Amino acid sequence: KAGVTQTPRYLIKTRGQQVTLSCSPISGHRSVSWYQQTPGQGLQFLFEYFSETQRNKGNFPGRFSGRQFSNSRSEMNVSTLELGDSALYLCASSLVGSQETQYFGPGTRLLVL
Amino acid sequence: GIQVEQSPPDLILQEGANSTLRCNFSDSVNNLQWFHQNPWGQLINLFYIPSGTKQNGRLSATTVATERYSLLYISSSQTTDSGVYFCAVSGYSTLTFGKGTMLLVSP
Repeated sequence: KAGVTQTPRYLIKTRGQQVTLSCSPISGHRSVSWYQQTPGQGLQFLFEYFSETQRNKGNFPGRFSGRQFSNSRSEMNVSTLELGDSALYLCASSLVGSQETQYFGPGTRLLVL
Repeated sequence: GIQVEQSPPDLILQEGANSTLRCNFSDSVNNLQWFHQNPWGQLINLFYIPSGTKQNGRLSATTVATERYSLLYISSSQTTDSGVYFCAVSGYSTLTFGKGTMLLVSP
């Protein structure tokens, strides 16, 4: 089975712009979660989607949003980018949720200038 | 939410040495995973171990759920073991990560 894929792998944006990141889960997995990793805050949960519905949301401002499509692929969007949004964004998939093994993609490195 | 503490924060070993990494958590959990993050940022599953003991080659892990801790053992370490090791737990909600143990194995 192919693993979790994320696109793009690297991205450079400027403050004020918006960005969309994509995640394709392992085939058959219906739960997709997003995490932000920074040197200062570590790995922080952004949100989880299951069957096209947001099931959980972390403590991030409304500029961070996401969605999931009927094929379980997920996108996350960050609007009005700030310098502090520079991070590694990781996506994880599982069959049904966080109480089972999570499989992570390679991540998208976002640099905001 | 659940608090996760990992120790030690940093560890330097010579190739061939053994090590033990610890993960303490503040509440009962339904999921506990150990990950190795490689230099490119990829989180690689090592173990799914909410309780009990598992072994995979030179790595093994033990979780004592009643005492709220988990241990990751690395035996005969190799330079390729270098990287950051994360423990992550969840109760009925989302996965919470510890701050990790950075391991450097020198030849």
